[in-house]
Formats: sequence, C-alpha cells, structure tokens
Amino acid sequence: EDKVVQSPLSLVVHEGDTVTLNCSYEVTNFRSLLWYKQEKKAPTFLFMLTSSGIEKKSGRLSSILDKKELFSILNITATQTGDSAVYLCASDPNTGTASKLTFGTGTRLQVTL
Amino acid sequence: GAGVSQSPRYKVAKRGQDVALRCDPISGHVSLFWYQQALGQGPEFLTYFQNEAQLDKSGLPSDRFFAERPEGSVSTLKIQRTQQEDSAVYLCASSPPWLYGYTFGSGTRLTVV
Repeated sequence: EDKVVQSPLSLVVHEGDTVTLNCSYEVTNFRSLLWYKQEKKAPTFLFMLTSSGIEKKSGRLSSILDKKELFSILNITATQTGDSAVYLCASDPNTGTASKLTFGTGTRLQVTL
Repeated sequence: GAGVSQSPRYKVAKRGQDVALRCDPISGHVSLFWYQQALGQGPEFLTYFQNEAQLDKSGLPSDRFFAERPEGSVSTLKIQRTQQEDSAVYLCASSPPWLYGYTFGSGTRLTVV
C-alpha cells in the first residue's frame, strides 16, 4: 500500500523563524511529489518536484526532492502569520496523465507574533 | 468558471439520510477527482472521471457511495443511508490533460448526526 508520511504533525514558531517540513514516501509507482498549502478547505498548489536535487523556489518557500532516500523537504524562511496553514505533500504515480494522489496527513504550522 | 465550485458548502444530515454533493469543475478540464478528508487527515482518493467516463472508483468506501458525471462537466457525489463515519470534507478537483493544473474546490463539509 502506498504511504506518504509527514513530520512533524504540528509546529508552532515565532514570526521570522525558518521552518523545515518533512515528507517521506513509500510508493509502488512514482512520477512526482507535490506540496500543497491548505488554509481553510481548498488545498492550493505550491510545488511539483520530479527530479532529485533540483530546488524549486517561490519567494520565501523552497522545496527539494531526494529520490534515492525517498523524501522531500519544504522550507519556509522568515515566516509570517499568513504562513499558518496545514502543509500537505502528495505522491503522484507514474500512470500517464492526470492521476490520483496519495496524501500525507499534513503538518499544521502555526506562526505566532 | 474561474475555479472549481462545490455546493453546498456545509451539509448536516441525519443518520440514514441520502445526500448529494455537487462539483462544477473549471471549464475545459477533462479530468475530475473526488477526495474525502476526515478531520486531521490528508485527503483520500475516492474516484476519478475523464470526461463522462468513470475510470477509477477504487477509493469509494462502500456501495453507499456513487458518483456520476453524465455530460462530462458537472459531477455529483451521492451518499446513501449516511453513517457517522461519513462525516468529512469532500473535495473535488479538476485538471487539464496534464497534472500540473490540478485545482481543488473549497469542499463540502458533511456532518452526519
């Protein structure tokens, strides 16, 4: 059974801190790993990672994939209260075009003043 | 429309009642997915449509769950004889032929009492 595990489950930091969120996966087929931010109900897309060692960056957020060790990290620098959310990672199997995702349980991040 | 629209936003059902949840995907998106997200968990795959064809329904938890997309656009997820364990947020997502454009709706929060 495909499995995606995220850690920590929850995290409380002060504004300005840097955080690292972890995602490991054990899946039968793998094409890419995706990160989403979920503030209320709709997860919003952050990154799609397909190749090992290539950092994807968007503002204060960055992410990298290690396909040998089967994990990914999401970094957020200079955190702000607006970063408070659940961060989900998901594996995308190599089954062609659009396909079902296997999600982790998420990391709940709370950024305090 | 501009995004994936789901209705109703909230639904309270008495145990044993039938419910119908609607998803209106982004215009032109051929792929449509339903996910179930229990409290504190990541979304779990339910079913997938490509146009009007239901290509994968392996995630539907029981035969009380039924989904359709008769004209390849709007989709309805129906749950018959609801049980308390059906309480969750039901998320719909649509995608163009490549996964990169996977977009979630805001979901329907179903509470079975």
